Amino acid sequence: EVQLLESGGGFLQPGGSLRLSCAASGFTFNIYAMTWVRQAPGKGLDWVSTISGDAGTTFYADSVKGRFTISRDNSKDTLYLQMNSLRAEDTAVYYCAKALKVKQERSGWDSWGLGTLVTVSS
Amino acid sequence: QSALTQPASVSGSPGQSITISCTGTNSDVGSDNFVSWYQQHPNKDPKLLIYEGTKRPSGASNRFSGSKSGNMASLTISGLQPEDEAIYYCCSYGTYSHWVFGGGTKLTVL
Repeated sequence: EVQLLESGGGFLQPGGSLRLSCAASGFTFNIYAMTWVRQAPGKGLDWVSTISGDAGTTFYADSVKGRFTISRDNSKDTLYLQMNSLRAEDTAVYYCAKALKVKQERSGWDSWGLGTLVTVSS
Repeated sequence: QSALTQPASVSGSPGQSITISCTGTNSDVGSDNFVSWYQQHPNKDPKLLIYEGTKRPSGASNRFSGSKSGNMASLTISGLQPEDEAIYYCCSYGTYSHWVFGGGTKLTVL
């Protein structure tokens, strides 16, 4: 059974930094792209960033480019999101999700974690 | 990239069929066939219902079907059941190597 468990969320002030982790199990981690999607309180889903299985390719939403860095450690089956220069508008539940297809990230995301809450406020 | 356009809400009675539209542009929905649909119940993680516009992943009910014409994709739910009450999101991969979600449609089963 695929399991994704996010951690690292918390409360911090604008301008701060935080690193989220997503521990994966139940599948061959290094052959699937992974993504981060966030959801502000009471709002819709918002794509943040995606990384290929081999970590060779990364994609970022314009709203986080230059501030967030996605990475993965395939030896630990763990996905990361380093978030710097945080803003109030980054406040959201952050979900990690697994790509549906092997070595192809465009088709959809078939397994999701329960999310971790990041609150940015002064 | 602007969010895809979905109706804010739809409703239907048990047993009926409803369709949710998702309108994008030539750069996303209309560019290829990488539209997916997700169902989200309150305080739950999203669930993939449809991928590549029309395909159902393993485990998804065959009451859910997807279609696409030009820059608009649609999700149809047939034989509405009370447990279908949720928020539905479309998502598209775009030519600019980004993904964009719709604003979400709240389905009420009357």
